[in-house]
Amino acid sequence: QVQLQESGPGLVKPSQTLSLTCTVSGGSISSGSYYWSWIRQPAGKGLEWIGRIYTSGSTNYNPSLKSRVTISVDTSKNQFSLKLSSVTAADTAVYYCARDLQQLAHYYYYYGMDVWGQGTTVTVSS
Amino acid sequence: DIQMTQSPSSLSASVGDRVTITCRASQSISDYLNWYQQKPGKAPKLLIYAASSLQSGVPSRFSGSGSGTDFTLTISSLQPEDFATYYCQQSYSTLIFTFGPGTKVDIK
Repeated sequence: QVQLQESGPGLVKPSQTLSLTCTVSGGSISSGSYYWSWIRQPAGKGLEWIGRIYTSGSTNYNPSLKSRVTISVDTSKNQFSLKLSSVTAADTAVYYCARDLQQLAHYYYYYGMDVWGQGTTVTVSS
Repeated sequence: DIQMTQSPSSLSASVGDRVTITCRASQSISDYLNWYQQKPGKAPKLLIYAASSLQSGVPSRFSGSGSGTDFTLTISSLQPEDFATYYCQQSYSTLIFTFGPGTKVDIK
């Protein structure tokens, strides 16, 4: 069964770039009708969708973060990555990677995030 | 942007209770609505997609309904493992997949 694991620095200085990688195991990142997503959650708060990538390289980003976000995929390593530039304390959160699965229902296709990593805490502080 | 609201923000219930959580979208999203369950310190879990389709492996006591702007998640008989926070999420707009603010279900 597919598993996801986030990795990257737990501490990032203000104004620097946050970089995280999600490693996919138990299956190929290129197989199936999946997008690969990043979501974050500040402590004690709700979920914020950051963006997603298809293995073709097609991306969708949260407009509120779009100017600072880059999501990329490396199919040879079975990984996808998140870069968030010019970070501030407001970017401190648990960051999750997830598989966005396309499923058929009511004769149409729908996306839902069915596999998640365990999450990694990133703190922005000097 | 499509905004999502949920009510109530929290509720207290007993094991065996029927629980209903409401999610409302700021504009019609057809049935492009997902429900997730999140327990403390854990990643969210997909319960319902397409407003009413039960994700594989999810107990049948969970059900979803609605279309357009108003949606409901129902737990028919609350179990001890169901105490958690529940989030709705719209997947209608590919510009941004907005989550609702969450509903915390705790023990009465």
